[in-house]
Amino acid sequence: AQSVTQPDIHITVSEGASLELRCNYSYGATPYLFWYVQSPGQGLQLLLKYFSGDTLVQGIKGFEAEFKRSQSSFNLRKPSVHWSDAAEYFCAVGQTGANNLFFGTGTRLTVIP
Amino acid sequence: NAGVTQTPKFRILKIGQSMTLQCAQDMNHNYMYWYRQDPGMGLKLIYYSVGAGITDKGEVPNGYNVSRSTTEDFPLRLELAAPSQTSVYFCASRTGLVEKLFFGSGTQLSVL
Repeated sequence: AQSVTQPDIHITVSEGASLELRCNYSYGATPYLFWYVQSPGQGLQLLLKYFSGDTLVQGIKGFEAEFKRSQSSFNLRKPSVHWSDAAEYFCAVGQTGANNLFFGTGTRLTVIP
Repeated sequence: NAGVTQTPKFRILKIGQSMTLQCAQDMNHNYMYWYRQDPGMGLKLIYYSVGAGITDKGEVPNGYNVSRSTTEDFPLRLELAAPSQTSVYFCASRTGLVEKLFFGSGTQLSVL
């Protein structure tokens, strides 16, 4: 069965520090992978996506993610966090021939001065 | 360009009442989705549609119904509201299977 795991419910980092949010998936075929961000009271916005090719993908707002097939992971990173990055982050997985995405439970990011 | 528009933004229902959550998109997207978001649970798919006249169940369809008579609109119907349906509901759309989802701003529903 398909599943997406985000093991960290809540992460707190200092402004300017680096960030890594973890995402692991279980899927029967080559997945399509996404990271979305949700600011309070808002819908989700796409940060980046991976379909094929280069396993390191760049997204908006300085985020990047690396697909590691051997580890079934798609971790999100940012070298220097800004206070405006405080939000909830969701990893999602899709598959060729499937009509929907499966979302992880989310990681809430708090940024302290 | 309005994108995905959801109405209402907030609603309080009494147990047993019915209501329809409206969703409209102006991007000519074929795929439309309804998700519910509960704290700590992420997003769960309720129903989706791959085009006008075609709908299918997601992970948590019980207690809900949908229709897709036009490409633009995808309303979600709650027939007999229950406290377990207290949640934030998001509508989303996209052009194709591998494209990004465009989300509405959500409807916060409380059933008391």
